[in-house]
Amino acid sequence: DAKTTQPTSMDCAEGRAANLPCNHSTISGNEYVYWYRQIHSQGPQYIIHGLKNNETNEMASLIITEDRKSSTLILPHATLRDTAVYYCIVRGGTSYDKVIFGPGTSLSVIP
Amino acid sequence: ETGVTQTPRHLVMGMTNKKSLKCEQHLGHNAMYWYKQSAKKPLELMFVYSLEERVENNSVPSRFSPECPNSSHLFLHLHTLQPEDSALYLCASSLQGAGYGYTFGSGTRLTVV
Repeated sequence: DAKTTQPTSMDCAEGRAANLPCNHSTISGNEYVYWYRQIHSQGPQYIIHGLKNNETNEMASLIITEDRKSSTLILPHATLRDTAVYYCIVRGGTSYDKVIFGPGTSLSVIP
Repeated sequence: ETGVTQTPRHLVMGMTNKKSLKCEQHLGHNAMYWYKQSAKKPLELMFVYSLEERVENNSVPSRFSPECPNSSHLFLHLHTLQPEDSALYLCASSLQGAGYGYTFGSGTRLTVV
């Protein structure tokens, strides 16, 4: 089973910030939080990841709570092209690992 | 292009056919993965290869047979499939270790008739 829970769907107005929450209350100390998105029928695309600190890149920001039990992906200015399914996953520190994807959050950006 | 190339992009095969899906990466990654995504379902992990050795097989039926001849190539051999095996098959690669993300290919859309 996936180690994360996310809302099934969300809407966001174009140009506004999209804030996607994720709960990972059983996360271990050596597990990272990753976000991917999948646009219809394409392969998932890596967005961002973090361990403890907040992270930002050209696509998004990742805010991780101090207790690391939840996080939020922020798309600062959502566009129609950001409509996709967003997956939050945790990945452990073994030499290999099996990443389990849950159903994710279906984000619809509305004009 | 993501750096992970999957061929073919689309495949239609009969239940008695034998076919193979190919995945190739030249990103220097040392772990490769096969995922299956059926319509409106989450991705299901099928196989994991780390350093060319199969380290995970998620109870996948034997009609799916993976092969990893080197760190850059991964195959999924298919034989006597069922219509319910129709799905998007995705390949991914990564470096070992939790601090590295996956790079996915665009997938092969398989239809079994």
